[in-house]
Amino acid sequence: LAKTTQPISMDSYEGQEVNITCSHNNIATNDYITWYQQFPSQGPRFIIQGYKTKVTNEVASLFIPADRKSSTLSLPRVSLSDTAVYYCLVGDGIGNQFYFGTGTSLTVIP
Amino acid sequence: EAGVTQFPSHSVIEKGQTVTLRCDPISGHDNLYWYRRVMGKEIKFLLHFVKESKQDESGMPNNRFLAERTGGTYSTLKVQPAELEDSGVYFCASSHRKGGSTDTQYFGPGTRLTVL
Repeated sequence: LAKTTQPISMDSYEGQEVNITCSHNNIATNDYITWYQQFPSQGPRFIIQGYKTKVTNEVASLFIPADRKSSTLSLPRVSLSDTAVYYCLVGDGIGNQFYFGTGTSLTVIP
Repeated sequence: EAGVTQFPSHSVIEKGQTVTLRCDPISGHDNLYWYRRVMGKEIKFLLHFVKESKQDESGMPNNRFLAERTGGTYSTLKVQPAELEDSGVYFCASSHRKGGSTDTQYFGPGTRLTVL
């Protein structure tokens, strides 16, 4: 069972880099890791997805070690508007079931 | 391109009543997923459709929940009869391809269900 765990909350000052880690010890061989951002009263919004090593897009980077048992979402120079809950999502390896992490509530402080 | 839409945004019903939630996926997306988050818990997978076929509904809580996707377009999730523990936010998501783990799921805003 691909359960995932994350820190419950984090605080950061504006302009700093934030790293949020998700543990997924039982991730399937062919499964990808996806990260989402969620604001209150909204649905999860896609941030980034990866399989191994490093993926970068215009808003974040995703680091995945060789054993793929964890992944780290990196947000460069956060702003107040990045205050949200961040989730990792992994599947069961065959695309039928999916498992959200517990979510990390990030608070960006001025 | 319109995103995933859900209706209603909020529903308040009494225990024992029936409620039907609707999800309209992004046009052209064959895969549709239902999730829910009950108070204080994580977002939990309920089931997955590929077009009109259910791929996996092992996450459905019990037989009071019935999901359908006739014609492979929009989907409904009916709760009958509703119980207090069904209160929570129900999310729908859709994705384009086969539905494998590489598929990006796009989520709707959710329906907040309150059972009194």
